[in-house]
Amino acid sequence: GIQVEQSPPDLILQEGANSTLRCNFSDSVNNLQWFHQNPWGQLINLFYIPSGTKQNGRLSATTVATERYSLLYISSSQTTDSGVYFCAVEATGTYKYIFGTGTRLKVLA
Amino acid sequence: GAVVSQHPSRVICKSGTSVKIECRSLDFQATTMFWYRQFPKQSLMLMATSNEGSKATYEQGVEKDKFLINHASLTLSTLTVTSAHPEDSSFYICSATVGNSPLHFGNGTRLTVT
Repeated sequence: GIQVEQSPPDLILQEGANSTLRCNFSDSVNNLQWFHQNPWGQLINLFYIPSGTKQNGRLSATTVATERYSLLYISSSQTTDSGVYFCAVEATGTYKYIFGTGTRLKVLA
Repeated sequence: GAVVSQHPSRVICKSGTSVKIECRSLDFQATTMFWYRQFPKQSLMLMATSNEGSKATYEQGVEKDKFLINHASLTLSTLTVTSAHPEDSSFYICSATVGNSPLHFGNGTRLTVT
């Protein structure tokens, strides 16, 4: 099955810093989403981005499906950005979403 | 829009008993629902995919007789953990989608088996 690797696994930032999270996948995908999991376990949908670039406030994402990766940019990070970030992909023809390994982010005040 | 409700949020049960978790799509009809399991500090692992009116498709290594999934309507799927044991303690989370649209997740159920 498809392999979905995220990097870095852990990241510590000072408040106000910028960061880039990466999601690599081993096969072609039809869909890709980015999620933020808060300390209570809730998954917040950040982007539905099978291709192209999207922006939402301080967050933006880019997926280059032909090169099998997606990037999530966080600018001017805040302590509330702390948590785990996951990408999830639907490999072509599978009709199911597989989650990446996750990036655990901690933003320090 | 696109709200998924999952109940209960927390459950503690004794070893050997069964626990049912409900997942409802409140404002849309979900053609497909997914059940995931998450151990502490790990990623979400897909357990099964269910489509309304048909049998669930389980991922390799997931015991279908232990984790019973029923998708009786376009708005309700249930996961029953049968004869639960301490190793079944985990965070279970459902998601729903319609057609080729984004996944929407419930808030999860934290199961503790004593």
